[in-house]
Amino acid sequence: QKEVEQDPGPLSVPEGAIVSLNCTYSNSAFQYFMWYRQYSRKGPELLMYTYSSGNKEDGRFTAQVDKSSKYISLFIRDSQPSDSATYLCAMRTGGSEKLVFGKGMKLTVNP
Amino acid sequence: EAEVAQSPRYKITEKSQAVAFWCDPISGHATLYWYRQILGQGPELLVQFQDESVVDDSQLPKDRFSAERLKGVDSTLKIQPAELGDSAMYLCASSLQGLIAGGYNEQFFGPGTRLTVL
Repeated sequence: QKEVEQDPGPLSVPEGAIVSLNCTYSNSAFQYFMWYRQYSRKGPELLMYTYSSGNKEDGRFTAQVDKSSKYISLFIRDSQPSDSATYLCAMRTGGSEKLVFGKGMKLTVNP
Repeated sequence: EAEVAQSPRYKITEKSQAVAFWCDPISGHATLYWYRQILGQGPELLVQFQDESVVDDSQLPKDRFSAERLKGVDSTLKIQPAELGDSAMYLCASSLQGLIAGGYNEQFFGPGTRLTVL
């Protein structure tokens, strides 16, 4: 079993839809939870990070962490064609800078 | 806006040849990371430097891969000899410093070098 599991999709939605992306993990020592967005032929860019459990909102994006279930989510409201990209969850412990990534979910938002 | 620079962007080589990738982190960033991203997978850490010292190279295949950051600024990742399974995107990232107690240290990624081994 991999430390971080993410459904690789792909996922195709119409413009304006609410998108839900999820990851599960097995390492209870993970404390920092990140979502990265990666456009084709580019490096990942940080969208949001959350420390420990809870919710965090930034514009159309909401990140949720449930440490009791070892489950994290990213919600995208009013999705736009420019949101089309691969979304990667990543996690790390408090004692290491090493990021452990999920496989990434390829999202396409159709106009 | 400061960015992590990598070169070359694309590299095609034949198996058993040597290849090298270069990374220039964001100015002032003490920590540098090399990740490998196989198509359809998430990035996996190969090596982490703090200034010129290796912090973590536990996932670096040391029989064929080497990495250096001699002056604590730019870095080179080398593969010799390249194998078919090395075909992947090699990503460099940098962050301002190492672990911050109770804080978060964002890693900024470069555009990557896409390696194809024939």
